[in-house]
This record gives sequence, C-alpha cells and structure tokens, in this order.
Amino acid sequence: EAGVVQSPRYKIIEKKQPVAFWCNPISGHNTLYWYLQNLGQGPELLIRYENEEAVDDSQLPKDRFSAERLKGVDSTLKIQPAELGDSAVYLCASSSRTHSGGLDTQYFGPGTRLTVL
Amino acid sequence: KNEVEQSPQNLTAQEGEFITINCSYSVGISALHWLQQHPGGGIVSLFMLSSGKKKHGRLIATINIQEKHSSLHITASHPRDSAVYICAATPYTGANSKLTFGKGITLSVRP
Repeated sequence: EAGVVQSPRYKIIEKKQPVAFWCNPISGHNTLYWYLQNLGQGPELLIRYENEEAVDDSQLPKDRFSAERLKGVDSTLKIQPAELGDSAVYLCASSSRTHSGGLDTQYFGPGTRLTVL
Repeated sequence: KNEVEQSPQNLTAQEGEFITINCSYSVGISALHWLQQHPGGGIVSLFMLSSGKKKHGRLIATINIQEKHSSLHITASHPRDSAVYICAATPYTGANSKLTFGKGITLSVRP
C-alpha cells in the first residue's frame, strides 16, 4: 500500500513569490493534516481536514496561507507571498477513525523542505 | 511550559548500548505516540499506546498513566537507529483530538 505522497520534496524560492505544496493521503483516510516543522522543533499543526471540511485551521496564518481539499482526497497548501521565516519542512499526514470514533495513528509523508531566499 | 517534554535533548550512544528516551506530559491523554524522523526524511510512526507496554523488534515503548510518563527503549542499538525521536500526545478522543508534539530528541549511535 502506498504511503502519504507529497510533492515537491524540495523547493527554493525568493521571498514574495508564491509556492504550493501537494499531498495525496493514504487511500481511505478521511482525515488529512498539514504541519509545519522548524529545525530542531516538533511539528506544529497548520490545518486539519475531515473529508473536504477544514475542522481546525486556528493555527493557519490566513493572511498568506491557504489550503484546499476540494474532493476530500488530495490537498494543496499555498503560501502567497512567501517570507523568509516560512523556510521550514511542510509535512502532510493522514489518518482514519477507530471503531470507537477516535483518530487512529497518523501516517506522515516525506515532507517538502522549503527554502525562501 | 510545553505540554509534552522530552529528555535528554541530545543523546549519543555507542553501538550495542541499551538506550532509553523519556517523555513526560502534563495533560490527560487518550494515546501517546512515538515517532522517528531520519535526517531529511519523513516521520514514521513507531508506536501508539494508551497503557502498558508494546514491543516491536528491538524497540520497546512503555507508558505510566498515573505518572504521565512514557519511555522508548532501544536494545542492542545500531548506527541506523540514529534519528530524531518524537513523542506526541493525543489529549482526548473525539472529533477534536489532535497531536501535541514534543521537540524531539536527537539520537546518535556511534559504531
């Protein structure tokens, strides 16, 4: 079974340019997460989707960040315009629900390493 | 204060040594996760546990709910175990449950 797929793996852009990241979750996983991870830190949640609905986007800087999951499968995270401080690894993860309704373990993609110059 | 604390921050061991990585949390949880991240790589989920102990190969994870503490043990360590080990907690079950991550511990195993 394929894992969580992310592209691109690496991206280098100049500040003020737009950038987009793509994620394809594990088949059948309704819950999708976007995380930001700075060097030496644990991941920080940006947004969580249940199917196509964003159920937690409280940590997403909405002035420059946007995300979508139109058909409840693939998702795109966009930054426009990018700033120097956005340099980080952007991780996508997906999970399914357990029989009791809780969230099962999350499966992470390889991440996209963004460098803003 | 972070809700999930890990210690030590960096750890160096010699190949073959028994290694213990600790995690403490300050909130009530429904599950505790141990994750592994290699340099430049994605995150791999090692364990998800809510009580007792789990074992997979040379890795053992334990949790003490009363003390809000979990440990990850690596037996017969190998250089390929060198990675960042992240502890994460799911504060509660239900629709709003989400992981709270520790900062991770960087483990280096020398040959």
